[in-house]
Amino acid sequence: SAVISQKPSRDICQRGTSLTIQCQVDSQVTMMFWYRQQPGQSLTLIATANQGSEATYESGFVIDKFPISRPNLTFSTLTVSNMSPEDSSIYLCSVRSNLDQPQHFGDGTRLSIL
Amino acid sequence: DAKTTQPPSMDCAEGRAANLPCNHSTISGNEYVYWYRQIHSQGPQYIIHGLKNNETNEMASLIITEDRKSSTLILPHATLRDTAVYYCIVVYSGGGADGLTFGKGTHLIIQP
Repeated sequence: SAVISQKPSRDICQRGTSLTIQCQVDSQVTMMFWYRQQPGQSLTLIATANQGSEATYESGFVIDKFPISRPNLTFSTLTVSNMSPEDSSIYLCSVRSNLDQPQHFGDGTRLSIL
Repeated sequence: DAKTTQPPSMDCAEGRAANLPCNHSTISGNEYVYWYRQIHSQGPQYIIHGLKNNETNEMASLIITEDRKSSTLILPHATLRDTAVYYCIVVYSGGGADGLTFGKGTHLIIQP
């Protein structure tokens, strides 16, 4: 399965600032996704990162708050904008090589907002 | 995608088989059953998936009832490292182009 690397692995940020999380995959993948996992909760899909076009956001998530880029088939970024303590979560990148393969996950970015 | 129901938590003794149930009574004919687990501080890990036949790999076995309304994930010889949250997810036609939707899962605790 694809090896997924996220940077940073963790960070502590001040409220009102923004942070960009990077996701790098060691092989080309068809689909890339971003998830959020709030403390003690399950994973929630934020958006599907589409190569060369705007991301597709799930209900409750908007581009202004979580802008996503996907410049090629191995890389994507998620920015958490104008952060507040409620944004303290683990943010996970996930990929699917093609429709015949299962989805795989990185180990996430643990974000704390003070 | 069909919804799933799992017990919130289970205990199992180390070395015994861990049997994790999942109900998916509204599953349709072209929906697969996927299992993932999430060990603390890690991302979810794919375990196994199936459509109608029982499946086995190096990690686990998946038993799907004949009517496909429920399934059981079996870890044949549980170890302490199998302590994790296990997610049963029903997915259309091998996955589609949508991201997986996670429920609350079952917190499996392996007791020494």
